[in-house]
Amino acid sequence: SQTIHQWPATLVQPVGSPLSLECTVEGTSNPNLYWYRQAAGRGLQLLFYSVGIGQISSEVPQNLSASRPQDRQFILSSKKLLLSDSGFYLCAQRGSGNTIYFGEGSWLTVV
Amino acid sequence: AQSVTQLGSHVSVSEGALVLLRCNYSSSVPPYLFWYVQYPNQGLQLLLKYTSAATLVKGINGFEAEFKKSETSFHLTKPSAHMSDAAEYFCAVSDRSSGTYKYIFGTGTRLKVLA
Repeated sequence: SQTIHQWPATLVQPVGSPLSLECTVEGTSNPNLYWYRQAAGRGLQLLFYSVGIGQISSEVPQNLSASRPQDRQFILSSKKLLLSDSGFYLCAQRGSGNTIYFGEGSWLTVV
Repeated sequence: AQSVTQLGSHVSVSEGALVLLRCNYSSSVPPYLFWYVQYPNQGLQLLLKYTSAATLVKGINGFEAEFKKSETSFHLTKPSAHMSDAAEYFCAVSDRSSGTYKYIFGTGTRLKVLA
């Protein structure tokens, strides 16, 4: 089974401040990893995915970036947060049976 | 590219009544289809998935879904709703057209169960 750790669980940040959300996973090596954002009434939006160390694909232009410094570590960052960056951020891993598994999420409120 | 449409952002049913949550997909290749459930302030939990084996898929908590290629649908059902089923439900399709696996989600359906 997949275990996905996300932190922090909740975060309140002022506009213009930096952001770092971290995700680490357990299980098979070289997993496909994903960052999703969930905004109220908008479902899950795929932000980034990674097929290996240093390999990041961005799905939508935005104020965020992602990095994968280690095989099982995926980081979501921003240099300067906007109000519109508020939301629920979910890290995910592709596991057995081509199924995607999710962490418990990180709530970000930009004030 | 694959896409998913969930009809009805909110569905209310009485306890003990049939639950029907609708999902239609668009895919140029045989898809993998999924249903997930999300309880408040939690991540998403897999309910069931279709991977081109049996068209009727049984999942956890008494839910099942039927893959209908002719209708491009993958609706989720449960014969008798329980109060604990109140949650948000997401349908998803796996997109392999880009050479890697991306998962596209619908906008979700919030299920309310009335006593």
